[in-house]
Amino acid sequence: EVQLVEAGGGLVQPGGSLRLSCVASGFTFSNNWMHWVRQAPGKGLVWVSRINTDGSSISYADSVKGRFTISRDNAKNTLYLQVNGLRVEDTAVYYCVGGWELNYWGQGTLVTVSS
Amino acid sequence: QLVLTQSPSASASLGASVKLTCTLSSGHNNYAIAWHQQQPEKGPRYLMKVNSDGSHRKGDGIPDRFSGSSSGAERYLTISSLQSEDEADYYCQTWGTGIHVFGGGTKVTVL
Repeated sequence: EVQLVEAGGGLVQPGGSLRLSCVASGFTFSNNWMHWVRQAPGKGLVWVSRINTDGSSISYADSVKGRFTISRDNAKNTLYLQVNGLRVEDTAVYYCVGGWELNYWGQGTLVTVSS
Repeated sequence: QLVLTQSPSASASLGASVKLTCTLSSGHNNYAIAWHQQQPEKGPRYLMKVNSDGSHRKGDGIPDRFSGSSSGAERYLTISSLQSEDEADYYCQTWGTGIHVFGGGTKVTVL
């Protein structure tokens, strides 16, 4: 069974930082592109970032470029998202997603940015 | 610019069929897309990939009553024999150079 378990969300003040993590199991993590997708309360899905199998190719949505950093540790089957300079509009559930076509979804971790 | 357009809502009766449309922006007629389902209060689930020629490949465990097709810049998701658990938001999604894009989603109501 495929499992993606996110952690690291929480309440943070504007300008703050968090490090999200996602542990994968049930599929060959090292062979799959990985993504972060977010969903603000009551809104639709928004793609945030992607990373290829060995970390050599990375892309970001314009809204997070320069503030968020995606990375992975294939030895630990773990995906990360370092989020800095958080803004109120970054408040969302952040999903870890596996596969080029976003085939495998986690349950998400909530990031709330508020003073 | 790569954009996906979906109608905000659709409805059909229990046991009937519903066909959802996802329209690719101009110049992107040959792009494949993926469909995802998000039931209330749950995380999304991958349903299938739909190619420009109408062929589709479903994810593991996706029932046969879900199918995909294409025509020009439009990609479709058809749900046959609607069941109560099909009431959900459905998102199309595609990918380009350095970017992945979602449509705005269609909320399906089962009457």
